[in-house]
Amino acid sequence: GAVVSQHPSWVICKSGTSVKIECRSLDFQATTMFWYRQFPKQSLMLMATSNEGSKATYEQGVEKDKFLINHASLTLSTLTVTSAHPEDSSFYICSASATSGFTDTQYFGPGTRLTVL
Amino acid sequence: AQSVSQHNHHVILSEAASLELGCNYSYGGTVNLFWYVQYPGQHLQLLLKYFSGDPLVKGIKGFEAEFIKSKFSFNLRKPSVQWSDTAEYFCAVIPANFGNEKLTFGTGTRLTIIP
Repeated sequence: GAVVSQHPSWVICKSGTSVKIECRSLDFQATTMFWYRQFPKQSLMLMATSNEGSKATYEQGVEKDKFLINHASLTLSTLTVTSAHPEDSSFYICSASATSGFTDTQYFGPGTRLTVL
Repeated sequence: AQSVSQHNHHVILSEAASLELGCNYSYGGTVNLFWYVQYPGQHLQLLLKYFSGDPLVKGIKGFEAEFIKSKFSFNLRKPSVQWSDTAEYFCAVIPANFGNEKLTFGTGTRLTIIP
């Protein structure tokens, strides 16, 4: 149980275009979903937290207008990187929790590697 | 805000050796603690977690971790490692009693097992 999927697993796009990444909880309802960014040989950095039906909460330093997050249902959250630039190239990982309690266990998706040319 | 330290960046062991990966956190209150593992080319998977109760927690694949509150530590152990344990291991902590806190990860420890 507690499987989280992400689509696509990798994407290459041109600078200036927008890219949408989907995160789905396959066998449970995800009240809370999280988006992380992982740089090579570094740990995960939380970008934002979203609860179904409400606006996402962004971490300090994360541009909300650049990284649009939508959590439209209890099984789907999307991250849209708008006007992507090469510095946005990274590994984006989502996680999901079955409760609204931030302290509960998070289950992670396989990640999406974004390369911006 | 809480922080997590994993002192060992890269550990190399032979098969059958015993493993202990260090994890220390800084936070004055009650915390929930996690160890996640990331096998090469795969996503993060929960290895084990501690919320309360017995401070010695057993996880999957023969791993265990001991929460020592006085030392702010949550070290991961395995008595005999296998080649398939080669992976990146992340310790994570979150305050237990407050909302809107975030899960904070350590920088990870890369474990390489030599056959």
